Amino acid sequence: ELKVEQNPLFLSMQEGKNYTIYCNYSTTSDRLYWYRQDPGKSLESLFVLLSNGAVKQEGRLMASLDTKARLSTLHITAAVHDLSATYFCAVDITGNQFYFGTGTSLTVIP
Amino acid sequence: DTEVTQTPKHLVMGMTNKKSLKCEQHMGHRAMYWYKQKAKKPPELMFVYSYEKLSINESVPSRFSPECPNSSLLNLHLHALQPEDSALYLCASSQGTGVFYEQYFGPGTRLTVT
Repeated sequence: ELKVEQNPLFLSMQEGKNYTIYCNYSTTSDRLYWYRQDPGKSLESLFVLLSNGAVKQEGRLMASLDTKARLSTLHITAAVHDLSATYFCAVDITGNQFYFGTGTSLTVIP
Repeated sequence: DTEVTQTPKHLVMGMTNKKSLKCEQHMGHRAMYWYKQKAKKPPELMFVYSYEKLSINESVPSRFSPECPNSSLLNLHLHALQPEDSALYLCASSQGTGVFYEQYFGPGTRLTVT
């Protein structure tokens, strides 16, 4: 059974600080996606990582993928309050079945 | 148009009711999905339609019945639900299946079963 685990589950950080969210998965895949979800809202696509070593950056967020380690990271630089949300990684191993991680609830404190 | 729409936004139904959720996309996508998301949990895949045919059913109880009338529309028919079925139901679409396509999610329908 595929497992997708995120660490930490809850993260409270001060504005201006840096932090990294980790996504570990238990089977071979070179396709990983990061989504953001605000309370009561749908999922917003952040990054699509399609190969080993892929790195993508958008604003204060940067995502990377290491398929050999079965690990993806989402790095937050100089956090601002607007980044407060729940972040999910998702692994796709068959081309149409997304397995979502446990989620990381991020709160950025002024 | 890069949008997936869902109606209704909110639905309250009794355990003996029959209701339907609707999902629509006009991106020319040929794969559509239903997910269920409980509070503070990740989305869980329920059904996958590929080229209007059901390709994956993740052991979902028969009180949930999906239907894909055409390539733009996806319905989820609900009957005799239980209170534990209360959740956010998300629809998604992608260009296809079998290759790794990004999924685009709709805003969801928040369902409450009383």
